[in-house]
Amino acid sequence: EDKVVQSPLSLVVHEGDTVTLNCSYEVTNFRSLLWYKQEKKAPTFLFMLTSSGIEKKSGRLSSILDKKELFSILNITATQTGDSAVYLCAATNTGTASKLTFGTGTRLQVTL
Amino acid sequence: GAVVSQHPSRVICKSGTSVKIECRSLDFQATTMFWYRQFPKQSLMLMATSNEGSKATYEQGVEKDKFLINHASLTLSTLTVTSAHPEDSSFYICSARGPALAKNIQYFGAGTRLSVL
Repeated sequence: EDKVVQSPLSLVVHEGDTVTLNCSYEVTNFRSLLWYKQEKKAPTFLFMLTSSGIEKKSGRLSSILDKKELFSILNITATQTGDSAVYLCAATNTGTASKLTFGTGTRLQVTL
Repeated sequence: GAVVSQHPSRVICKSGTSVKIECRSLDFQATTMFWYRQFPKQSLMLMATSNEGSKATYEQGVEKDKFLINHASLTLSTLTVTSAHPEDSSFYICSARGPALAKNIQYFGAGTRLSVL
């Protein structure tokens, strides 16, 4: 059974800190790993990673995939209170349905 | 772009009634839509995958007669929770993807919180 595990489960940091969120996966016929941010309701798409070692960057957020170690990290630098959310990691396979298997998420709280 | 609208956002119903939830892709054609269920402080659990014009594929353990899914057009899928019971109370979220969008990226609706009394 496909599995995605995220750590830590929750994290509290001060504004301005840098955080690293972890995601490991065991997926048969793995294709891509996706990161989403879920604030109150709908998860919003952040990154999709398909190749190892290529960092994707968007503002203060960046992410990278290691397909040998079956692992991805999401970095957030100079955190702001608006970064407070649950960050979800999901993996997809090469099947035609391309279903997403989600981790349980990391709840990040950024305090002043 | 890639906006998914889900309605209603909140519904409270009596046990035994049926509830319909709509999921619409507003600015793209959604050839595939997904329905998830999310319990408090847990992750999204896929319930079923629906392709436009064909029957939905349900995940193991999800009762197809209980959770009826219809994907009659390229912009609309519906989930009907039939004869709802308190244990069906949960947060239901849909997502969609389409051929005009990057493959494998799903765009999510805002979810529907269902409370069955």
